[in-house]
Amino acid sequence: AQKITQTQPGMFVQEKEAVTLDCTYDTSDQSYGLFWYKQPSSGEMIFLIYQGSYDEQNATEGRYSLNFQKARKSANLVISASQLGDSAMYFCAMREGRNTGNQFYFGTGTSLTVIP
Amino acid sequence: GAVVSQHPSWVICKSGTSVKIECRSLDFQATTMFWYRQFPKQSLMLMATSNEGSKATYEQGVEKDKFLINHASLTLSTLTVTSAHPEDSSFYICSARYPAASSYEQYFGPGTRLTVT
Repeated sequence: AQKITQTQPGMFVQEKEAVTLDCTYDTSDQSYGLFWYKQPSSGEMIFLIYQGSYDEQNATEGRYSLNFQKARKSANLVISASQLGDSAMYFCAMREGRNTGNQFYFGTGTSLTVIP
Repeated sequence: GAVVSQHPSWVICKSGTSVKIECRSLDFQATTMFWYRQFPKQSLMLMATSNEGSKATYEQGVEKDKFLINHASLTLSTLTVTSAHPEDSSFYICSARYPAASSYEQYFGPGTRLTVT
């Protein structure tokens, strides 16, 4: 079974609007971390936001927020007030367990295009 | 913040030759580094986990004799693609484990684009 599932291969959003990128995960571990990364066409992976499995509050970082629904095993990324520079691939990732040396599992990504 | 560099950023080589890619943690010591491979418009696939001073752990399906990984110091891991073939053309990304227990546990390098002709 896939550890991380991103069901939206491509998304379009109007500039200044909000957009939600979906991510569901599969793990039997009680302790895990969820991450979102942005990958522009240049290729570098840019860290956006992190949510720990024990965090009760949804994580927020500027225009990014993570809608964490533990019972549903979903960790959707919400980008508010979209900007043209937000056009990129977005990857959801999970690290299982407490060991920070554990590997990351990545989803297949969502290509976001912001329309002027 | 922590910085991870990769060198070269892109390389073109002829089929049959070997190519070495370096991954360096510039401002922290990384006991563990990870090597990923990414085909166009696809996700990152973990190739191997590299631990300083020990042999790398390869994921299933990754040929260890073809993708040689050496983690000789706490700031440097290298990936050598031996006898490269066109199907090895890909984007290779490394990440380094940050030693402190923080949410930004791994930092990614900018990637190396390999084209084998």
